[in-house]
Amino acid sequence: AQSVTQLGSHVSVSEGALVLLRCNYSSSVPPYLFWYVQYPNQGLQLLLKYTSAATLVKGINGFEAEFKKSETSFHLTKPSAHMSDAAEYFCAVSDLGGTSYGKLTFGQGTILTVHP
Amino acid sequence: KAGVTQTPRYLIKTRGQQVTLSCSPISGHRSVSWYQQTPGQGLQFLFEYFSETQRNKGNFPGRFSGRQFSNSRSEMNVSTLELGDSALYLCASSLDIYRGGDTEAFFGQGTRLTVV
Repeated sequence: AQSVTQLGSHVSVSEGALVLLRCNYSSSVPPYLFWYVQYPNQGLQLLLKYTSAATLVKGINGFEAEFKKSETSFHLTKPSAHMSDAAEYFCAVSDLGGTSYGKLTFGQGTILTVHP
Repeated sequence: KAGVTQTPRYLIKTRGQQVTLSCSPISGHRSVSWYQQTPGQGLQFLFEYFSETQRNKGNFPGRFSGRQFSNSRSEMNVSTLELGDSALYLCASSLDIYRGGDTEAFFGQGTRLTVV
């Protein structure tokens, strides 16, 4: 069974500061990992995904994440926060070759607040 | 290219009623997944359809059902509504999410269901 743990339900940063959102996963098979962002009353938008290629993944809006198998982590970072980054962020895992057709398992989400 | 369209965006229903939600995937996408999002339980997988066949189902009672039509459009139905069914219901489409990270899941804006 797969699971995702996002450390910190709320993260607050100042504009221009580093953003670090933590995600740890558990999977019995090689995972595919994703970060999604959700703005109020909206659906989910994919920021980036890890698909067993490069371990450092670059996404949209200046975000990137590093897959660390030894730590079972996939933390999301952005060097300099912008006010428009304020949203809720979800880490998700999907397995490859398993029976979890179409299933993404999500973490509980981290609300990012950006202060001026 | 049109995105994933969910209708209606908002619904208010009374306990005991039933409801049908609709999802039109991106043209060419054959996989449609449904998720329930609540503040308490987060994002939970309901089911996934591919070429009119349900391939996977989450841990929800039988009151929750779905189907997919030959044009890949999907509907989900909830019968005998309970207060706890109040949630944002999200639909996602992909070429075939079983392929994991090879294909991205695109989410609609969701249907906000309120049960009173």
